[in-house]
Amino acid sequence: DSGVTQTPKHLITATGQRVTLRCSPRSGDLSVYWYQQSLDQGLQFLIQYYNGEERAKGNILERFSAQQFPDLHSELNLSSLELGDSALYFCASSLTGKNTEAFFGQGTRLTVV
Amino acid sequence: AQSVTQLDSHVSVSEGTPVLLRCNYSSSYSPSLFWYVQHPNKGLQLLLKYTSAATLVKGINGFEAEFKKSETSFHLTKPSAHMSDAAEYFCVVSPFNQAGTALIFGKGTTLSVSS
Repeated sequence: DSGVTQTPKHLITATGQRVTLRCSPRSGDLSVYWYQQSLDQGLQFLIQYYNGEERAKGNILERFSAQQFPDLHSELNLSSLELGDSALYFCASSLTGKNTEAFFGQGTRLTVV
Repeated sequence: AQSVTQLDSHVSVSEGTPVLLRCNYSSSYSPSLFWYVQHPNKGLQLLLKYTSAATLVKGINGFEAEFKKSETSFHLTKPSAHMSDAAEYFCVVSPFNQAGTALIFGKGTTLSVSS
């Protein structure tokens, strides 16, 4: 158990809908990362937060947004969903967000039908 | 720019034989380097990390990796493969002291272990 909690574990929704994925980091970690993993794209970095502020942005679509709250949990919002958004979404956390390892949650498997 | 290249997309070994998964990195400074493992339908688990201390790093489950600056390599090895080692392995670089730059993942190497 990495100490990073992601909910829900599975999500099935229709095209055009909006969903929210939630992540609770390890106790004491200030930085949260979001990654998307699909068969064709592999592991893609989406966005990173540190202590509530956006730190780095990767290949995140405009239809996607995220935030980190004062209690350090994070949410990833995916809207106007398309079939191609079906993937595993991972959250990871680290102590400082730089030069250190990250610990990954078990992921949320999103299926868009 | 920082990058990491895993030289083999797929490696097949027999149980009890050595494992070698190759990784080269590109970094202007001494980076932190990691290996993660992902079993099917599971999250990523940290196997080991290099953070500028000893160049030979020991990890979990008998894996180790050697940091070779002259070759810009960080290959993962295990003396004797076990069936449970079959998984996807990712080499990862964390750029040195660069806030706001996320972990950079290689494309992964699938390890198959046959009996």
